[in-house]
Parts: sequence; C-alpha cells; structure tokens
Amino acid sequence: AQTVTQSQPEMSVQEAETVTLSCTYDTSESDYYLFWYKQPPSRQMILVIRQEAYKQQNATENRFSVNFQKAAKSFSLKISDSQLGDAAMYFCAYRSAMASYGKLTFGQGTILTVHP
Amino acid sequence: GAGVSQTPSNKVTEKGKYVELRCDPISGHTALYWYRQSLGQGPEFLIYFQGTGAADDSGLPNDRFFAVRPEGSVSTLKIQRTERGDSAVYLCASSLDGTAPLHFGNGTRLTVT
Repeated sequence: AQTVTQSQPEMSVQEAETVTLSCTYDTSESDYYLFWYKQPPSRQMILVIRQEAYKQQNATENRFSVNFQKAAKSFSLKISDSQLGDAAMYFCAYRSAMASYGKLTFGQGTILTVHP
Repeated sequence: GAGVSQTPSNKVTEKGKYVELRCDPISGHTALYWYRQSLGQGPEFLIYFQGTGAADDSGLPNDRFFAVRPEGSVSTLKIQRTERGDSAVYLCASSLDGTAPLHFGNGTRLTVT
C-alpha cells in the first residue's frame, strides 16, 4: 500500500515571503499522480496543483510550484509571495495510475499560518 | 447546483444510534466519492460510485457503514450502531466522470457522544 508522509505539522510564513511544505511518499509503482490540496476552515478541499509522475518538468500554478524528485519520492510545495488567504491546512495526496481518479491517499496535513 | 452540497453540516448523535449523511453532487456529475477525515488527519477514501453502482467500496471500515446512490445523483452514507470512533468529518466529492477533477463539498461533522 502507498503511504504519504508530511513531517511538518505546522509552518508559518510572513506575508509576501516564500514557504516550502514537505511531502514524501512510498510506492512501488512507476506511474502515479501527486497532488497538493488546501483545506480552509470551511472544510472544502481545494486542488492547488497536480503532478504526473511521468513528467520530469515540475508543475507550476501562478504562485504555487512543486519540486518533484521521483527517485527520492519527494514532492514539496513552494508558495511564493505568500498572502493572508493562503492560510489553511495543506494536504499532499497520491493516486495510483491504476486506481479510479478520485481514490486518493492523503498525508496528515500541514497547518500553514501567514503573518501580516 | 453551484457546488457539492452536504447535509447536515453538523450532526450529533448518541452511541448506538443510526445516522444518514446526504450528498448532493454537482448536476451531471456521474462519479461520486465519500471520504472520512478524523481529527488531525488527512481524508481517507471510503467508497466510489460511478452512476448508481459502487465501483469501489474497499475503504468502508466495516459492515456498519453502507452507502447508496439509487438514481445516480444524490448519495446517502448510512452508519448503523454508531460508535465514538466514528466521530469525524465526512467529505463527499463529485466529478464529471471517472477521469475529471474532483469537486469537494464542505463535509458533515459527525459527533458521537
């Protein structure tokens, strides 16, 4: 079975600064997808960014980018120019290419605090 | 509707009681998923529906948990003989089909006293 580990229970950043959230995963598969989700107090999970394992190029979405290291099984999220609205719980998630699209394995989450 | 709707938003029940949690997916979405999120943890997959049928129920923890989607739209997650360990946020998500991005609801917070 696949596992996803987020070793940082909490992180904080000053507004306009950059922060990196860590994620490692364990799998024996070569084809899979990785995701970062944001969960604000509303509890709704919001997709931030996704990465296909077969793509070597790191995904970027505006201020959000990832550092995907397949050999190391590492998938970190970098948030640039942090904004107050970025404060939330962030989850890293894995999906096997063999599984149904919505069957995700999530990490334990990292609470991100943004200081003005 | 505009998004995935889950009702009730919060539910408190006594140990041993039966509860039903409802999920209204986005109109036209054929795929529907249930997840359970315990306090301080990430969501855990419970069950996946494609249309009316459960395509994958491998995440249901035991036979006290059951879910239905009789007309391929609204889904109900049913929990019998609730236990305090069932206390969690139950999240529902839908997608246009089995390959499209997920849209999550705001969840139902279930508290078993």
